[in-house]
Amino acid sequence: GAVVSQHPSWVICKSGTSVKIECRSLDFQATTMFWYRQFPKQSLMLMATSNEGSKATYEQGVEKDKFLINHASLTLSTLTVTSAHPEDSSFYICSARTGVGSPLHFGNGTRLTVT
Amino acid sequence: GESVGLHLPTLSVQEGDNSIINCAYSNSASDYFIWYKQESGKGPQFIIDIRSNMDKRQGQRVTVLLNKTVKHLSLQIAATQPGDSAVYFCADSFYGQNFVFGPGTRLSVLP
Repeated sequence: GAVVSQHPSWVICKSGTSVKIECRSLDFQATTMFWYRQFPKQSLMLMATSNEGSKATYEQGVEKDKFLINHASLTLSTLTVTSAHPEDSSFYICSARTGVGSPLHFGNGTRLTVT
Repeated sequence: GESVGLHLPTLSVQEGDNSIINCAYSNSASDYFIWYKQESGKGPQFIIDIRSNMDKRQGQRVTVLLNKTVKHLSLQIAATQPGDSAVYFCADSFYGQNFVFGPGTRLSVLP
């Protein structure tokens, strides 16, 4: 149980274009999902908390206009990287939990490369 | 966990030996702790968790030890196998909110 699916697993885009990443909870409903970014050989950095039916909460230093988050249903959150630049190239990972006090379950990540 | 910079500690162990991976956390109010395993190119995978009312919890081939006095967490893997090679992260939180991830430890299993 508690499976999180993330799509696509990798994407290459040109500088200036936008990319959408989907995160789905397959066998449970998630009112809250979390988006992380991970650089090579580093730990996970929380970018934002996605709340179903309301605005996402962004961590300090994360541009909300650049990283658009939509949590339209209890099983789907999307992260859109707008006007991507090479410095946005990274590994983006989403997670969800079945309830407060439960462990985070992660998707398999999306490798974004901006050329 | 404490994210202390760009250096990723590495632990090398012989296949069949036991592994011990350590983690320090900084929030004395943290009451929920998790160990994750991350293989290359994949998302972190839940291994085992422990709450602050316990100091030891065992799973299949894994044991987590919690020392709240010194804010230290460890993961013990018995009879380490090649498939255990990965990066291991600890995470701590207060009541499941705002998980803080440690810097990670790379475990390499030598044949």
